[in-house]
Amino acid sequence: NAGVTQTPKFRILKIGQSMTLQCTQDMNHNYMYWYRQDPGMGLKLIYYSVGAGITDKGEVPNGYNVSRSTTEDFPLRLELAAPSQTSVYFCASSSRQEAYEQYFGPGTRLTVT
Amino acid sequence: GDSVTQMEGPVTLSEEAFLTINCTYTATGYPSLFWYVQYPGEGLQLLLKATKADDKGSNKGFEATYRKETTSFHLEKGSVQVSDSAVYFCALRRFESTFGDGTTLTVKP
Repeated sequence: NAGVTQTPKFRILKIGQSMTLQCTQDMNHNYMYWYRQDPGMGLKLIYYSVGAGITDKGEVPNGYNVSRSTTEDFPLRLELAAPSQTSVYFCASSSRQEAYEQYFGPGTRLTVT
Repeated sequence: GDSVTQMEGPVTLSEEAFLTINCTYTATGYPSLFWYVQYPGEGLQLLLKATKADDKGSNKGFEATYRKETTSFHLEKGSVQVSDSAVYFCALRRFESTFGDGTTLTVKP
C-alpha cells in the first residue's frame, strides 16, 4: 500500500491564482480530511468527508472547496489564493474499523505571494 | 465541544533525561486518544494510541496511559535520545480529530 499520497510537495502561487491539491488513499478508508498547519501551530481542520459524495466543513473552510467523487480521492481546491493561505496542507484518511486512526500524507507546502 | 490542551513548549532536554509532555482533554464519552510525532519537514506519524480508559499505549520507548478520572494522556519516555527531537501532538478522536497545538522537543547531546 502506498498509503496517503499528496501532490504537489511544494507550490508557489501568486495572489488571486487558483490551484488544486491532490490527495489519494489506497486503504479503502471512508473518512478523509484536509488540515492546514501554520508555523508553530497545531493542525486545523479545513474539510472532511465521511464517504464518497459527502463532504462537510471543518474549523477553517473559508477560501477552500472540496469534492469526493470516489472513495480514493479527496482534492482540495483553492480559489483566489491569498497570503493568509500560506501554510502546509496535510491530507489524512481513517476508518471506523481502525478506531479512526488517521494516516497522514507527506504534506504540501504552499506559499502565496 | 472537544478540546485538547498540551503542555506548552519548547522543551529542551539533555540526552538520557526523563521526558514528560502533559496532555489533558475535554470530551464527552470515551474518545480514542493518540500521540503523533512530526519530524522536521515531514507529515505526522502515529506514535501510540489508547482506545479506552486505563489502556497504556507504548512505542519506541514512549508510553502514555488513558486516565479517565483526570482526563489526561501524558506522554513519557525514560531516556530520550537526540533522534527524539521533533514536535509531538496529542489528539482526541471520534471520527474527526481534535489536535493539541504541539510541543517541540529538542534533545541535546
